[in-house]
Amino acid sequence: GAGVSQSPSNKVTEKGKDVELRCDPISGHTALYWYRQSLGQGLEFLIYFQGNSAPDKSGLPSDRFSAERTGGSVSTLTIQRTQQEDSAVYLCASSLPPYGELFFGEGSRLTVL
Amino acid sequence: DAKTTQPPSMDCAEGRAANLPCNHSTISGNEYVYWYRQIHSQGPQYIIHGLKNNETNEMASLIITEDRKSSTLILPHATLRDTAVYYCIVRVGDYGQNFVFGPGTRLSVLP
Repeated sequence: GAGVSQSPSNKVTEKGKDVELRCDPISGHTALYWYRQSLGQGLEFLIYFQGNSAPDKSGLPSDRFSAERTGGSVSTLTIQRTQQEDSAVYLCASSLPPYGELFFGEGSRLTVL
Repeated sequence: DAKTTQPPSMDCAEGRAANLPCNHSTISGNEYVYWYRQIHSQGPQYIIHGLKNNETNEMASLIITEDRKSSTLILPHATLRDTAVYYCIVRVGDYGQNFVFGPGTRLSVLP
C-alpha cells in the first residue's frame, strides 16, 4: 500500500482479555517499529524489527507484551491479559535502512475497561 | 546513548518564523539529527534530517552548529496548522536504527 496501515483503528476490550494489533508496513521497508502513546504523553518505544528479527526488545513493558513479524512484512503486537494501564494509542512505523525516515501509521487506539 | 533536550513549549505569531532549538551535546560523528512533528491525534510526521550541513526542504530548514552539539529547526512562515509537538531525535543503537522520542516542544502558533 501507499502508507503504513494499522488495524483495528479502535479496540475496546475488557480487562483480562487478549488483544492483537496489526501493522502492515510500506512495501520494501525492512525496519518496523512499535510505539505506545498514552493520553497526553510522549511516544514510548516498544520494539523494532529488522526483517523478521527483533534485535531490541528492551521497550516491551512486561511479559504480557509480545510481537512478531513474518515474511519481513506484517507485524502483530499481542497483549495478553490486558490491564487498564495498557489503554493507549499503539503506533507502528516503518523505514528503509540504514538512514531512512520513519513513516507512521495512524495508530490503534486501545481502551481496556 | 545520545539524547536531546528541547524546551517544553514555545509560542509563535502566525506568519513569523518559528525557531525550535535542540541540544544534543553527546552526539556521535555518524549520528544524524531528525525532526518530526505530531499534530493532535495523528501519527508523527517526518520533517527533515541532517548530518552536519544545513538542510532545507519544502517544509523547513535545519541549522546544525559546527560542533554538532545543537541544532535549530526553522519554519519560515508559521501557520496555525503548524501547531504541533515537535520532536528532535538523534539516532542511537548499533546500526543507527533506533528512534528514541523525547517529550518534544509543543509549538503553539497564535493568530
